[in-house]
Amino acid sequence: AQSVTQLDSQVPVFEEAPVELRCNYSSSVSVYLFWYVQYPNQGLQLLLKYLSGSTLVKGINGFEAEFNKSQTSFHLRKPSVHISDTAEYFCAVRTGTASKLTFGTGTRLQVTL
Amino acid sequence: DTGVSQNPRHKITKRGQNVTFRCDPISEHNRLYWYRQTLGQGPEFLTYFQNEAQLEKSRLLSDRFSAERPKGSFSTLEIQRTEQGDSAMYLCASSPRDKLAKNIQYFGAGTRLSVL
Repeated sequence: AQSVTQLDSQVPVFEEAPVELRCNYSSSVSVYLFWYVQYPNQGLQLLLKYLSGSTLVKGINGFEAEFNKSQTSFHLRKPSVHISDTAEYFCAVRTGTASKLTFGTGTRLQVTL
Repeated sequence: DTGVSQNPRHKITKRGQNVTFRCDPISEHNRLYWYRQTLGQGPEFLTYFQNEAQLEKSRLLSDRFSAERPKGSFSTLEIQRTEQGDSAMYLCASSPRDKLAKNIQYFGAGTRLSVL
């Protein structure tokens, strides 16, 4: 069975500071990994994805993530955050045989001046 | 290319009433998914269609829930005899046929259900 752990429920950070949102997954087979962002009262927007190839993936809005198979992690990073990055971020995993995405419980990123 | 469209955006109903939500996937996406998201949680999988066939259902999908995709295009999710515990955001997603891209799910804005 696949599962996702987002260790931090909330991450407060000042504008222009770097940020890392942590994600660990559990799966015994090959995985596809995703980060989605959700703004209040909206659906999920795909930030970035790892399907195959390079373990460092770049997404929209200056975000990037690195797939680390030995650590079973897929942490999200941004070198300099903006107020507009304030939102809920979800890590998700899909195994090669499953149809569904399994989501973590989310990390609330709060950017302040 | 329009995104996934969900209607209505908000639905308020009284306990015991039936409700129906609609999802229009991205054009030519043959895979369609329904998820439920409660406050402070990540989305949880409900069901999955490939074309018109419902291929997987979660145990979360009780007998009061039914989903259809009659022509392999739009889908409906119906909840009968709603309960207060059904209050949640219902999200629809779709993905394309492509061998690798099929693993990417694109979400709609969701339908927020409030059961009074």
